[in-house]
Amino acid sequence: QQQVKQSPQSLIVQKGGISIINCAYENTAFDYFPWYQQFPGKGPALLIAIRPDVSEKKEGRFTISFNKSAKQFSLHIMDSQPGDSATYFCAASRGGNYQLIWGAGTKLIIKP
Amino acid sequence: GAVVSQHPSRVICKSGTSVKIECRSLDFQATTMFWYRQFPKQSLMLMATSNEGSKATYEQGVEKDKFLINHASLTLSTLTVTSAHPEDSSFYICSAPLMDTQYFGPGTRLTVL
Repeated sequence: QQQVKQSPQSLIVQKGGISIINCAYENTAFDYFPWYQQFPGKGPALLIAIRPDVSEKKEGRFTISFNKSAKQFSLHIMDSQPGDSATYFCAASRGGNYQLIWGAGTKLIIKP
Repeated sequence: GAVVSQHPSRVICKSGTSVKIECRSLDFQATTMFWYRQFPKQSLMLMATSNEGSKATYEQGVEKDKFLINHASLTLSTLTVTSAHPEDSSFYICSAPLMDTQYFGPGTRLTVL
């Protein structure tokens, strides 16, 4: 019940296309859902995050879609660029508890 | 955003030696910090929660006597890998929370020969 399931494991998208990464969770007590971007040899960096009181959040080319009833959330990267090539992790936490439960990660490659 | 630093960024040591990794929150205070371990092409694995002024909380399966954590101040936590062995070679990352967000350090690559 503590798991966050992330898919796909890897993704190749053409430059300019839309990259979509999906996550699903079981624990309904989760109330904070961040996405992190990690480049090789670097620590993760927060990309965007959402709480369950909204169904969508957009920041630039990055959008989180949240479906509370289905217990799913996804990251959409519009107009994907080669610089977006990285590993993306979804995560979840609950009630002010900062401990994050991590997805397995998605390696995204944007082909020029 | 908030900045978390780690030192050193890379360390190579001989088997049996101890290695200390520092994690600092540069522009905010953190009563709690987290230590993670990451193997190649895998997700982050939480090792322990570092608490300022009290003992760290270790995740199941993490040896507290091998991975010593000291949260000496509101801006500094250290992880000491004692009597390191090649299987301890990994990427170690710390994080510190500010408001709802966890900010991560750049990581420390430990190689034990």
